[in-house]
Amino acid sequence: QQPVQSPQAVILREGEDAVINCSSSKALYSVHWYRQKHGEAPVFLMILLKGGEQKGHEKISASFNEKKQQSSLYLTASQLSYSGTYFCGTEEYGNKLVFGAGTILRVKS
Amino acid sequence: NAGVTQTPKFRILKIGQSMTLQCTQDMNHNYMYWYRQDPGMGLKLIYYSVGAGITDKGEVPNGYNVSRSTTEDFPLRLELAAPSQTSVYFCASSLPTGTGYTFGSGTRLTVV
Repeated sequence: QQPVQSPQAVILREGEDAVINCSSSKALYSVHWYRQKHGEAPVFLMILLKGGEQKGHEKISASFNEKKQQSSLYLTASQLSYSGTYFCGTEEYGNKLVFGAGTILRVKS
Repeated sequence: NAGVTQTPKFRILKIGQSMTLQCTQDMNHNYMYWYRQDPGMGLKLIYYSVGAGITDKGEVPNGYNVSRSTTEDFPLRLELAAPSQTSVYFCASSLPTGTGYTFGSGTRLTVV
């Protein structure tokens, strides 16, 4: 079953923060986050594993609430390069990724 | 390393024609996947493979076939193309469960 992402779209000014949420009705083993620029392939950002710690690098981090089967992606001090569509992908143990519908992020100068 | 390579990048097919989308990876990943992405939508899994000789259906397998004779290659076959198969097709690969996917650059297919 497809995870639910929110919001569907968000517009930011450079330097502002954003949070993108992903929720599933299934018991999850992992949650992936990807960013896709227009006309390009999705690019892997990070993975959150069941029982793992909050992940992050530079100004992009994520968390995974195993009890609620929810994950959030945090983008702080946004840059123009952050613009794109963000997808979460959820994985039940031993199963393949199911992707959400995506969140369009646009950063304006 | 080239990563995941897909060919062709663009293709126009007439209704009823057939074609094979090629995908090869040089990262020695056992797991490979085919997804399709319709305009403004997320990715839907067509087929996947956990190793040479092993394939299984995803969410939307109808109208497609795959084979996996080597670790490197995972071609996707479209038989009797239909307008509903107009989409962007992405091949991806990964290590076993719990690791990120590496995507190819995609094949944009139009069926007219």
